[in-house]
Amino acid sequence: DAGVIQSPRHEVTEMGQEVTLRCKPISGHNSLFWYRQTMMRGLELLIYFNNNVPIDDSGMPEDRFSAKMPNASFSTLKIQPSEPRDSAVYFCASSFFFGRGRNAGNTIYFGEGSWLTVV
Amino acid sequence: AQKITQTQPGMFVQEKEAVTLDCTYDTSDQSYGLFWYKQPSSGEMIFLIYQGSYDEQNATEGRYSLNFQKARKSANLVISASQLGDSAMYFCAMREGKITGAGSYQLTFGKGTKLSVIP
Repeated sequence: DAGVIQSPRHEVTEMGQEVTLRCKPISGHNSLFWYRQTMMRGLELLIYFNNNVPIDDSGMPEDRFSAKMPNASFSTLKIQPSEPRDSAVYFCASSFFFGRGRNAGNTIYFGEGSWLTVV
Repeated sequence: AQKITQTQPGMFVQEKEAVTLDCTYDTSDQSYGLFWYKQPSSGEMIFLIYQGSYDEQNATEGRYSLNFQKARKSANLVISASQLGDSAMYFCAMREGKITGAGSYQLTFGKGTKLSVIP
């Protein structure tokens, strides 16, 4: 079975340019997460979707960041304009959420990450 | 206060020996899940093992086992018979069962432990 698929794997861009990261979650999963990993701050949740609806975007650093999930099999994370401090590894992850009840054990599966460098 | 604490920034272990990676957590929820992920130098996040707060037995997955001590709020990862391929960053993470709004089941990660296996 295909896991979480992210693209691009690596991106180098100039400051001020728009960056779009893409994610295809595992088929059948209804929860999707975007995480960012840096040396200084570790792994941080940026935004979380459930059934394509953004539930928690409190981790999105600022208005330059936006995320969409137009359907159950695709999500994008956009940075416009990009800045050098956005350089990080961006992970997409997915899981299945049953609704109210014991969901704590539903494993979140990660993609391979998108390595972004803004120069 | 940090929700997940990994006190060992780096660990060394001799090949074929066992090693324990420490993780303590903080939550007021009764229902929660504890996870360990491995991140090799290639960057992907690989799910290793899961322990639910209601599970009475310690989780095991091949050479990985989780030493779950609920009263102490610790969930240490034990790797038996270490192999060179085990050299990686290891992250402990928690998913709390508390439902907020439409549900929020994000993973909160520790800072990680870098394990180096010595031949």
